[in-house]
Amino acid sequence: QPVLTQPPSASASLGASVTLTCTLSSGYSNYKVDWYQQRPGKGPRFVMRVGTGGIVGSKGDGIPDRFSVLGSGLNRYLTIKNIQEEDESDYHCGADHGSGSNFVRVFGGGTKLTVL
Amino acid sequence: EVQLVESGGGLVKPGGSLRLSCAASGFTFSSYSMNWVRQAPGKGLEWVSSISSSSSYIYYADSVKGRFTISRDNAKNSLYLQMNSLRAEDTAVYYCARRLDYMDVWGKGTTVTVSS
Repeated sequence: QPVLTQPPSASASLGASVTLTCTLSSGYSNYKVDWYQQRPGKGPRFVMRVGTGGIVGSKGDGIPDRFSVLGSGLNRYLTIKNIQEEDESDYHCGADHGSGSNFVRVFGGGTKLTVL
Repeated sequence: EVQLVESGGGLVKPGGSLRLSCAASGFTFSSYSMNWVRQAPGKGLEWVSSISSSSSYIYYADSVKGRFTISRDNAKNSLYLQMNSLRAEDTAVYYCARRLDYMDVWGKGTTVTVSS
């Protein structure tokens, strides 16, 4: 099954842009990844799904246009433009593996985004 | 309003049992597969278990297989997680999440603490 790797932390200044990365382990370059936002003390919130062709399907409810995704090789990126204070959150990526009688869902370790 | 509300968490001794519930409202519960995802203190998300809309397909993470049982009652719009033989490493906030294509709605979680 794939391993998803995320840097533990990232930071950006108010109004700037930041790109968060989720890296799939070797051999899983065709996998789609879901991004989730988790504000302090809250449950996760679906942001959007990304494959090598970019966004798959629709953004989650209320996700602003400032959020976008790209996929390249083993990397799945979440870019946030014009960062606002409310974007300070943990960002998790997740992917499915398997089907039928064998299925697992794997998550990365999460990236804590600090807004300076 | 679409809502998931978890309950049943608490403090339990190692080796003990606990049953979590997730009450769904605001959507057609029987149309969605459902999931339990947990988050240990200061850690990332960990998928625990999934159940299809009609309970035909059930999956577990290796870490809980043989100890946890997921179930649902579509007539009561409720999801359950029976947790037996609990260990210290099961200490976490447990979230339920609905899924059609992706996990788009999550609850606020219920806290399980396993300690003597």
